[in-house]
Amino acid sequence: EAGVAQSPRYKIIEKRQSVAFWCNPISGHATLYWYQQILGQGPKLLIQFQNNGVVDDSQLPKDRFSAERLKGVDSTLKIQPAKLEDSAVYLCASSLALAVSTDTQYFGPGTRLTVL
Amino acid sequence: AQRVTQPEKLLSVFKGAPVELKCNYSYSGSPELFWYVQYSRQRLQLLLRHISRESIKGFTADLNKGETSFHLKKPFAQEEDSAMYYCALSGYNYGQNFVFGPGTRLSVLP
Repeated sequence: EAGVAQSPRYKIIEKRQSVAFWCNPISGHATLYWYQQILGQGPKLLIQFQNNGVVDDSQLPKDRFSAERLKGVDSTLKIQPAKLEDSAVYLCASSLALAVSTDTQYFGPGTRLTVL
Repeated sequence: AQRVTQPEKLLSVFKGAPVELKCNYSYSGSPELFWYVQYSRQRLQLLLRHISRESIKGFTADLNKGETSFHLKKPFAQEEDSAMYYCALSGYNYGQNFVFGPGTRLSVLP
């Protein structure tokens, strides 16, 4: 079975520019997660979707970050405008079950963002 | 608020020695606990979860609700166990955050 796909793998931008990341979850997985992982820290959940609805976005900086999950499959995460502190690896994960945060999550390879 | 702590950033042991990676949590209720692992140049992946009560690659973890701990143990470390290990927590209720600890890098020396 194909794993979670993410693109691009690397992105370098200057502060105040905008950037978008794309994620394609495992086929049939209802739940999709976006995490931010700053160097030396564990992943931090930004937003969780179930199908195309948002379950939790309490830690998403909504003044600059936005995310959508079109038709309950692919998802995009956008940052506009970027700040230096947004430099991190952005991880996408998916899980099979609905409405259960305890299911196994399958992670993508991540997108490493550097903001100069 | 949910929180996971892993007191050791780096743990080095010799091959064949026992390993214990510490994890403590704070949560008001009965959480589900996980260990995720990231080997060099690989994706983050699930190692084991409390609810399954299984042993994966020789690793086990016991949930101690009194001490709010979920330490990961292996009696005899192997060089291929060298990796980054993350303890994680989730609640059972709808919409509860999934929280990772900061991680411990395990280095198994020959």
